[in-house]
Amino acid sequence: DADVTQTPRNRITKTGKRIMLECSQTKGHDRMYWYRQDPGLGLRLIYYSFDVKDINKGEISDGYSVSRQAQAKFSLSLESAIPNQTALYFCATSAVPGLAGGPTDTQYFGPGTRLTVL
Amino acid sequence: QKEVEQNSGPLSVPEGAIASLNCTYSDRGSQSFFWYRQYSGKSPELIMSIYSNGDKEDGRFTAQLNKASQYVSLLIRDSQPSDSATYLCAVANDYKLSFGAGTTVTVRA
Repeated sequence: DADVTQTPRNRITKTGKRIMLECSQTKGHDRMYWYRQDPGLGLRLIYYSFDVKDINKGEISDGYSVSRQAQAKFSLSLESAIPNQTALYFCATSAVPGLAGGPTDTQYFGPGTRLTVL
Repeated sequence: QKEVEQNSGPLSVPEGAIASLNCTYSDRGSQSFFWYRQYSGKSPELIMSIYSNGDKEDGRFTAQLNKASQYVSLLIRDSQPSDSATYLCAVANDYKLSFGAGTTVTVRA
């Protein structure tokens, strides 16, 4: 079974619709992240959460919101989707630094959700 | 100036050759450095992590870090067609990763 799962894997929606992307993990990690990837721009951080009660904005949070329902679940919402939110979205997790070696632990990525907003 | 910059590519190398990928970063306080491989349409997967100046080898991959020059590189020796992918450089500061745009490598059989 995959350690980090994302649903749905593909979604086509229309401008103005509300969309929720879900992420679940079985790695036991406290830290979870949402990224979007656009061609030529690499991965950009939308939101991150270091534990259930901690939510932080990333570099491109406008137009997005998140919910950390449990240690293992982190959802991303687009309240009113627009075409320039068409992208590949990834969820990632990491352990608390120091528990698994190195000053910053590795981030592990889910399979991604391809979102198209028409 | 972007936080993390990579040579834009694409990089085409013959099978068996060495592929050399470069990455520079702007934040001198950066603590950890990663190379991820991403096949088309798939998620990034970790190849190497490096935290200290010098070289780190893992199989056919060698990461090199020079914090004074704010430079990190990845060498792929004996390149194989299965190495054809986009390679992402990631730099960590304050427990958040900043990614470069990636370098696409094609290994010619």
